[in-house]
Amino acid sequence: DAGVIQSPRHEVTEMGQEVTLRCKPISGHDYLFWYRQTMMRGLELLIYFNNNVPIDDSGMPEDRFSAKMPNASFSTLKIQPSEPRDSAVYFCASSFGLAGGTGELFFGEGSRLTVL
Amino acid sequence: GESVGLHLPTLSVQEGDNSIINCAYSNSASDYFIWYKQESGKGPQFIIDIRSNMDKRQGQRVTVLLNKTVKHLSLQIAATQPGDSAVYFCAESRSYNTDKLIFGTGTRLQVFP
Repeated sequence: DAGVIQSPRHEVTEMGQEVTLRCKPISGHDYLFWYRQTMMRGLELLIYFNNNVPIDDSGMPEDRFSAKMPNASFSTLKIQPSEPRDSAVYFCASSFGLAGGTGELFFGEGSRLTVL
Repeated sequence: GESVGLHLPTLSVQEGDNSIINCAYSNSASDYFIWYKQESGKGPQFIIDIRSNMDKRQGQRVTVLLNKTVKHLSLQIAATQPGDSAVYFCAESRSYNTDKLIFGTGTRLQVFP
């Protein structure tokens, strides 16, 4: 298996532009997570899906952020409009199951976003 | 690309020595703990986990110790190798679920030959 695949790996954009980050989870995994990593706040959970349905989006910072999972093999995280404080590394992770599971989240390599 | 900030606590060890990375967790209700390793430019990778009904768990070259009394977790790496150089995060959650994982700030491990 190729693991969790994220794109783009790097994105540089200007303030006000729309940014779309993409994720392909590991086939067969029923949970998908979006995390954000910054120097100041470390790793933060933004939102997660179970069987393509958003379960908890309480970590999404503002209405400018939205996430979708139209099918089991694809998810997007969109920021519109983007701001410099959104600059971070965004990780997608997937897992099979939750309760009683091993806790093994499989992370992608991340999308580094820089908003100028 | 760098995954975390410049002011992480850093542990420097010589190749072949044992490493001990410590973590203080915040929530006394947490009952599930995980260690992740993050190499530069990559996402975190699961190393080992432990549930609150245990105080020690061993893996391959790694051991996790849990002291619930003082809310302390440690990761011991035996015979540290250059490939162990990375940032190590502990994570805690309640009720064995990974949906509410709270990650610590991380410790950078540097291994010198």
